[in-house]
Amino acid sequence: QSALTQPASVSGSPGQSITISCTGTSRDVGGYNYVSWFQQHPGKAPKVIIYDVSNRPSGVPNRFSGSKSGNTASLTISGLQAEDEADYYCSSYASSSTLVFGGGTKLTVL
Amino acid sequence: EVQLVESGGGLVQPGGSLRLSCAASGFTFSSYAMSWVRQAPGKGLEWVSGISGSGGSTYNADSVKGRFTMCRDNSKNTLCLQMNSLRAEDTAVYYCAKSRTKTTVTTIEYWGHGTLVTVSS
Repeated sequence: QSALTQPASVSGSPGQSITISCTGTSRDVGGYNYVSWFQQHPGKAPKVIIYDVSNRPSGVPNRFSGSKSGNTASLTISGLQAEDEADYYCSSYASSSTLVFGGGTKLTVL
Repeated sequence: EVQLVESGGGLVQPGGSLRLSCAASGFTFSSYAMSWVRQAPGKGLEWVSGISGSGGSTYNADSVKGRFTMCRDNSKNTLCLQMNSLRAEDTAVYYCAKSRTKTTVTTIEYWGHGTLVTVSS
């Protein structure tokens, strides 16, 4: 049950696009289409923004998109806004009916 | 509206026990798998335990196997996490979380607001 690998931090200016990667193995990210992305603002509970690799829950802006290639999933935020500044976590279903999270990425909007 | 309300957190000594509860509403509780996820102060998210919609199957992270037990009462729409042999590294905010599926935890859809557990002498 090793954590998925995410960059510790990314940054971008308002209006730009950024991409956060999430690397696992064939036993988690690469083996199932159950990758999710969560946004967490300081002091708040996480909120799902992408599920099942590329699906957006209702109410999540289409500026947020997800994809997967092999053992790496990606979250792209286009048209960056100040309120997007937060921590982002990926998760994946893994073998033996467990869930594994990435270490988290701090997004700074410059 | 889905609501998940955790309770039972607090200060406990190393080696002690604590039982967390989660009251669920706004959805057909027995139709969904549930999880507990924790977050140590200033750290990332860690999945701890999962349980199927029926309660017949439970799953645990290696870090808590043999110490934590998850349960549910579908007649009362409540979830529990019995934590024994607590260690300092178990100190965290514990979140109750609803899955999108019934039998196993594939994707978390909703989160509670969390309850803080502090293990310290």
